[in-house]
Amino acid sequence: NAGVTQTPKFQVLKTGQSMTLQCAQDMNHNSMYWYRQDPGMGLRLIYYSASEGTTDKGEVPNGYNVSRLNKREFSLRLESAAPSQTSVYFCASSEVRGQGGPEAFFGQGTRLTVV
Amino acid sequence: EDKVVQSPLSLVVHEGDTVTLNCSYEVTNFRSLLWYKQEKKAPTFLFMLTSSGIEKKSGRLSSILDKKELFSILNITATQTGDSAIYLCATNSGYSTLTFGKGTMLLVSP
Repeated sequence: NAGVTQTPKFQVLKTGQSMTLQCAQDMNHNSMYWYRQDPGMGLRLIYYSASEGTTDKGEVPNGYNVSRLNKREFSLRLESAAPSQTSVYFCASSEVRGQGGPEAFFGQGTRLTVV
Repeated sequence: EDKVVQSPLSLVVHEGDTVTLNCSYEVTNFRSLLWYKQEKKAPTFLFMLTSSGIEKKSGRLSSILDKKELFSILNITATQTGDSAIYLCATNSGYSTLTFGKGTMLLVSP
């Protein structure tokens, strides 16, 4: 069972270049998320999709766009990369667990460096 | 704005020690608090807590929530080098999103 799969695992971009991070899950979850993790900052939510066809901004959406292509896939696009977007990006998916809220399952991360 | 604060930010212990990690929160419409362990890559789920005073336990790890004082602790007894990781606390205040703390980096030395 693959769970949450992200590609690529590593990427180096030049300032101003664009790229799309891909994420797919095979757990039939409704909700999917993109986080970034920076040293000393924990995980910060960029965008999320509560269900197929909907997307919403999280805590740090500036400079990013997302597409919920179908129930399985949720992509993150950087239109014009900046050094401040150097980070580790995690995709996650979840299904609501009873009344407690989502237990998120994470992909293995994409380490992005913008030079 | 929801806020989750973890302490300490880092900790070094010797194998066999017992450690307590702390997580305090200020969250509107609190639904649950979750603990994750992050080793080299993806965070992996440990516990979800929704009710005060009920301990969740898994092997040497246990956690409890205090909804009156707005905090949770994660205990690890008889620590092993394999427990070295970043431990993340997160809260859920709605159906769709989690707010994470900055994490506690635990290093267990042999």
